[in-house]
Amino acid sequence: EAGVTQSPTHLIKTRGQQATLRCSPISGHTSVYWYQQALGLGLQFLLWYDEGEERNRGNFPPRFSGRQFPNYSSELNVNALELEDSALYLCASSLAPPNEQYFGPGTRLTVT
Amino acid sequence: AQKITQTQPGMFVQEKEAVTLDCTYDTSDQSYGLFWYKQPSSGEMIFLIYQGSYDEQNATEGRYSLNFQKARKSANLVISASQLGDSAMYFCAMREGYNAGGTSYGKLTFGQGTILTVHP
Repeated sequence: EAGVTQSPTHLIKTRGQQATLRCSPISGHTSVYWYQQALGLGLQFLLWYDEGEERNRGNFPPRFSGRQFPNYSSELNVNALELEDSALYLCASSLAPPNEQYFGPGTRLTVT
Repeated sequence: AQKITQTQPGMFVQEKEAVTLDCTYDTSDQSYGLFWYKQPSSGEMIFLIYQGSYDEQNATEGRYSLNFQKARKSANLVISASQLGDSAMYFCAMREGYNAGGTSYGKLTFGQGTILTVHP
């Protein structure tokens, strides 16, 4: 069974641009989560989508947004990129909470 | 206040020996879950083990066991018979229960991690 997949693996953008990161959950999983892992800041919860709706949001500015599609895949958009947005962005999926979350390999975003 | 505390930035263990990675947590919820994840240098987070707050038995998964002491709010990971491939960053995480409206928070809150190095 395929795990969580993310694309692209690496993304290089300049400050002020927009980035789009994609995630496909494990088949049958309806919940998708996004986390940011920035150097020195640990893993921070960004967003949770379930059945196409945003269910919870972490302490991030509105320029971090996303959506979940009818096939449960998800997109994370980061507008007006700042240097401190450089991080590993991890997507996870689960059956509806409180089940364990399974992570993808991540997208490494570099903002120059 | 930090909700998940991992006090060991780094740990060293000899191959084939057991090692305990510490994790303490803070929550006022009665219903919560505790998780351990492994993150090798490749970056992917690998789920290892889960303990529910109402589970009476300590969770075990192969060489991994979770030493759950609810009164002390600790959830230490024990890795038995360490292998070289166990060298990685290990994260403890907590999923709190439900808000007043009955909606699960869904999110995981992670500790800062412990780097484990297994020596041959």
